[in-house]
Amino acid sequence: GQSLEQPSEVTAVEGAIVQINCTYQTSGFYGLSWYQQHDGGAPTFLSYNALDGLEETGRFSSFLSRSDSYGYLLLQELQMKDSASYFCAVIKQAGTALIFGKGTTLSVSS
Amino acid sequence: DTAVSQTPKYLVTQMGNDKSIKCEQNLGHDTMYWYKQDSKKFLKIMFSYNNKELIINETVPNRFSPKSPDKAHLNLHINSLELGDSAVYFCASSQGTSGSSEQFFGPGTRLTVL
Repeated sequence: GQSLEQPSEVTAVEGAIVQINCTYQTSGFYGLSWYQQHDGGAPTFLSYNALDGLEETGRFSSFLSRSDSYGYLLLQELQMKDSASYFCAVIKQAGTALIFGKGTTLSVSS
Repeated sequence: DTAVSQTPKYLVTQMGNDKSIKCEQNLGHDTMYWYKQDSKKFLKIMFSYNNKELIINETVPNRFSPKSPDKAHLNLHINSLELGDSAVYFCASSQGTSGSSEQFFGPGTRLTVL
């Protein structure tokens, strides 16, 4: 079987830093992606890690440890517009479908 | 210019009916997907097509039949709709094995079966 575990909800205030963890157990692993989805919207790509280490894209960073089957998404300088659902997703082979976690709802308050 | 488009955006229908959802991408991607998002926001792959050929069929009932007339289009036909088919259906595309892993999602089709 395959499973991805991430917290269901996280709350924070504007300007804070939040880390959303994801642990995975899949038969095959190529990389870990993160997607953001606002209510009523489509998932949009945030980041991708195929190798161990940290990838930084503006206020968002993503980390992967393949040996620990673990990754996280770090969101800095939180803004109200960051309130959304965040999904980690494993890709088992290049060019194949994503296996999604159940998503983490992030609520940012002022 | 919309990268991945789906029609219709909303679909309300009765149990037992047959309906189709259309998807088109103008990104020149090789691979297209259908995902289903249930009421708890769980996203699950249904089908994957690469260059018009079916790659993945994730134990989806055979009432669901994808059709890819060319690599820019992947339509989803659903026969004998059931209450449990109510969900948001997302089409997505990616470059495939030769490119980035990023997948581009369409705006979704909210299907309600009454």
